[in-house]
Amino acid sequence: AQSVTQLDSQVPVFEEAPVELRCNYSSSVSVYLFWYVQYPNQGLQLLLKYLSGSTLVKGINGFEAEFNKSQTSFHLRKPSVHISDTAEYFCAVTPMNRDDKIIFGKGTRLHILP
Amino acid sequence: NAGVMQNPRHLVRRRGQEARLRCSPMKGHSHVYWYRQLPEEGLKFMVYLQKENIIDESGMPKERFSAEFPKEGPSILRIQQVVRGDSAAYFCASSPRGTGRGYGYTFGSGTRLTVV
Repeated sequence: AQSVTQLDSQVPVFEEAPVELRCNYSSSVSVYLFWYVQYPNQGLQLLLKYLSGSTLVKGINGFEAEFNKSQTSFHLRKPSVHISDTAEYFCAVTPMNRDDKIIFGKGTRLHILP
Repeated sequence: NAGVMQNPRHLVRRRGQEARLRCSPMKGHSHVYWYRQLPEEGLKFMVYLQKENIIDESGMPKERFSAEFPKEGPSILRIQQVVRGDSAAYFCASSPRGTGRGYGYTFGSGTRLTVV
């Protein structure tokens, strides 16, 4: 079975400052990794995903994430945040090469301070 | 190209009534997943369906909850005899193939169920 831990439930950051949202996962098999974003009263949108290859993955809205197999981590970063980045961010995992569900972390709320 | 359509967006039911939540996947998507979201708890998997088949219902409560995805028409999540604890946001997602090939989900906007 797979599990995801998002280490921070809330992260406050000043506008135009950099941000890192942390994610660790646990799995006995190889996995695909995802980050989704949820704006208030909306569904989730895919930000980026790691399937294979380069460990640095670039997504939409200037976000990127780095897969670290030895640390079992997939942290999300943005060099300069904007007020419009205020949202909840979910890290997620699913096993490779097997049709299964995606398991989500509990989410991190990103608060952008003016 | 319409996305995943869920209706209704908001649903209010009295305790003991039935709730029916509908989900039409994206065109060409044959895999449907239902999740429940409660504050501070993230998304909890409920059920994974393909056309006319339940693939994984390990997250569904054993009683009062059922799901279907018929050959024609939307997927339905049905909650019988609702209780206050069923109040939550219910999200449907779809994918064109199974997640084992690296496909992520496309989510609907959710149905917010309130039981009074």
